Amino acid sequence: EIVMTQSPATLSVSPGERATLSCRASQSVGANLAWYQQKPGQAPRLLIFGASTRATGIPARFSGSGSGTDFTLTISSLQSEDFAVYYCQQYYNWPPLTFGGGTKVEIK
Amino acid sequence: QVQLRESGPGLVKPSETLSLTCTVSDGSFSSYYWTWIRQPPGKGLEWIGYIYYLGDTNYNPSLKSRITISLDTSKNQVSLKLSSLTAADTAVYYCARAATYFHNGNGYPRGFDIWGQGTMVTVSS
Repeated sequence: EIVMTQSPATLSVSPGERATLSCRASQSVGANLAWYQQKPGQAPRLLIFGASTRATGIPARFSGSGSGTDFTLTISSLQSEDFAVYYCQQYYNWPPLTFGGGTKVEIK
Repeated sequence: QVQLRESGPGLVKPSETLSLTCTVSDGSFSSYYWTWIRQPPGKGLEWIGYIYYLGDTNYNPSLKSRITISLDTSKNQVSLKLSSLTAADTAVYYCARAATYFHNGNGYPRGFDIWGQGTMVTVSS
């Protein structure tokens, strides 16, 4: 099983600032990595797939990078609607498909 | 845009079998992985399993002995059955869709782009 580890668990950021979230895989997943955003009481929303491709309708302030075992999600200028929990997920090797434990982005 | 809607009992007893249904609004099953994912209250996401549109299934090894996922294209539905329930199965259950990404002749579920709203299931006597 590929274990996905996200850091930090909580990130405190002021609106307008940049946020950088990390995700590490226990073994290489190539570029088979997705990022999701989840707000309270809502289903997750796909932000990024293929490590760096934005999903349909996702604003350009969200960008993904990395390959192999280390990945980053960057939100260039945080808007009020971006405060949420973010998950990474690998789809290189399964079963099982695995998610990271999440990073909560909160208002500083 | 296609919509997914989960339905099923909100409360089930320990040791019983949970049956959930996901209705796909436009019945467009082709080329997708149809997946169940759950989230215990206050916790992260756990992949339960999927059924590919051609009928192949793949389950989380931690749940494999208790899961059945099936597809009924005539009803536009994907179903989940989870047996021998315990309190640890209490969670929001989501159905989700992933497109197929082909690389070096292999198919991969390329991220879950459409999700249902989720249905809360509580296991309690």
